[in-house]
Amino acid sequence: GENVEQHPSTLSVQEGDSAVIKCTYSDSASNYFPWYKQELGKGPQLIIDIRSNVGEKKDQRIAVTLNKTAKHFSLHITETQPEDSAVYFCAATGPTSGTYKYIFGTGTRLKVLA
Amino acid sequence: DTAVSQTPKYLVTQMGNDKSIKCEQNLGHDTMYWYKQDSKKFLKIMFSYNNKELIINETVPNRFSPKSPDKAHLNLHINSLELGDSAVYFCASSFGRGDTQYFGPGTRLTVL
Repeated sequence: GENVEQHPSTLSVQEGDSAVIKCTYSDSASNYFPWYKQELGKGPQLIIDIRSNVGEKKDQRIAVTLNKTAKHFSLHITETQPEDSAVYFCAATGPTSGTYKYIFGTGTRLKVLA
Repeated sequence: DTAVSQTPKYLVTQMGNDKSIKCEQNLGHDTMYWYKQDSKKFLKIMFSYNNKELIINETVPNRFSPKSPDKAHLNLHINSLELGDSAVYFCASSFGRGDTQYFGPGTRLTVL
């Protein structure tokens, strides 16, 4: 079945440094890749997304890159701040079975140390 | 204005009881979802409705029954609650299949 692997499971960085989270998907039909940030006690919030016809997308300090050949996509956060501390989830979806079901990665707990 | 709302936020109940969680979205979306997040934070789809039609029904015990009275509402009823049902349940919605999903704040269910 479809699978999304996410690494690392935990990541600690110093404030101001960059953070990179990587995901690999198995379903070659996947064509949409959102990233969510989940703060303690809250629901996942979309922070950035990318479609398969684009290789990179940037929004201020956040960027996502996609390598369709290798079936990899990554989240890059620059100039990290303490408020970036949260659990981050990647997801992949596509027309497999016609349902466009989101397959989530297992999450990365990011800690930004002040 | 809350886009996707869920009630209640916390639910503590005894094993064997029946309970419901309600979800409402005011985004005008056609598709709604229920997810379960376990203690390890793993997010797993349970059900999805598109225009009140069930389109995703994962391997979920039949004690769980979703109901969509209209496009803006998707409720989850759980019969004969078990300890293993303890989790956070999230509702989400999107314009259509494959579109960006927006999540509610979650309902933390604790079964004693």
